Amino acid sequence: AQSVAQPEDQVNVAEGNPLTVKCTYSVSGNPYLFWYVQYPNRGLQFLLKYITGDNLVKGSYGFEAEFNKSQTSFHLKKPSALVSDSALYFCAVREYNFNKFYFGSGTKLNVKP
Amino acid sequence: DSGVTQTPKHLITATGQRVTLRCSPRSGDLSVYWYQQSLDQGLQFLIQYYNGEERAKGNILERFSAQQFPDLHSELNLSSLELGDSALYFCASSVEGQDTQYFGPGTRLTVL
Repeated sequence: AQSVAQPEDQVNVAEGNPLTVKCTYSVSGNPYLFWYVQYPNRGLQFLLKYITGDNLVKGSYGFEAEFNKSQTSFHLKKPSALVSDSALYFCAVREYNFNKFYFGSGTKLNVKP
Repeated sequence: DSGVTQTPKHLITATGQRVTLRCSPRSGDLSVYWYQQSLDQGLQFLIQYYNGEERAKGNILERFSAQQFPDLHSELNLSSLELGDSALYFCASSVEGQDTQYFGPGTRLTVL
């Protein structure tokens, strides 16, 4: 069955330090992978996606994610965290040729000054 | 601002009632998706429409139904409401079924 796992409910990092938010997925075919961010009382905003090609994908606000097929992972990264990056982050997967999207449970990122 | 609009922003109703949530997609987007976000279930995909036709169905209850109209706006109908239906309901749109989704601000439904 298709699924997405975000193993950490919360990630705490100091401003200026690198951050990683983890995501692993399970699909039976080729995955389309996405990261979204949700600020309080707002809808989800698209950050980046992997469809095919280079395993390192660059997105909005300095975020990037690395697709690792052997580990079925798609971790979100940023070299230097900002306090304004504090939000809820969702990983999502869609299986190629199917239209159902599966979202992870979300990871709350706290960046402290 | 994603360009996706949802009304109403908040909705408070009683158990057993029926409500309709409305979504207008971004200009040019043919696909509309509905999601339910609750504290215990996370973000759950409900249903997708593409150019007026149902394209994919997720964890949508039989008490819930949706449709997409010729002008591409969509409505999600929730009936025989239960306390557990209290949640944030998001609509998203995309150019076609395979593309990036853009989310609306959501409708917060409270069932008392």
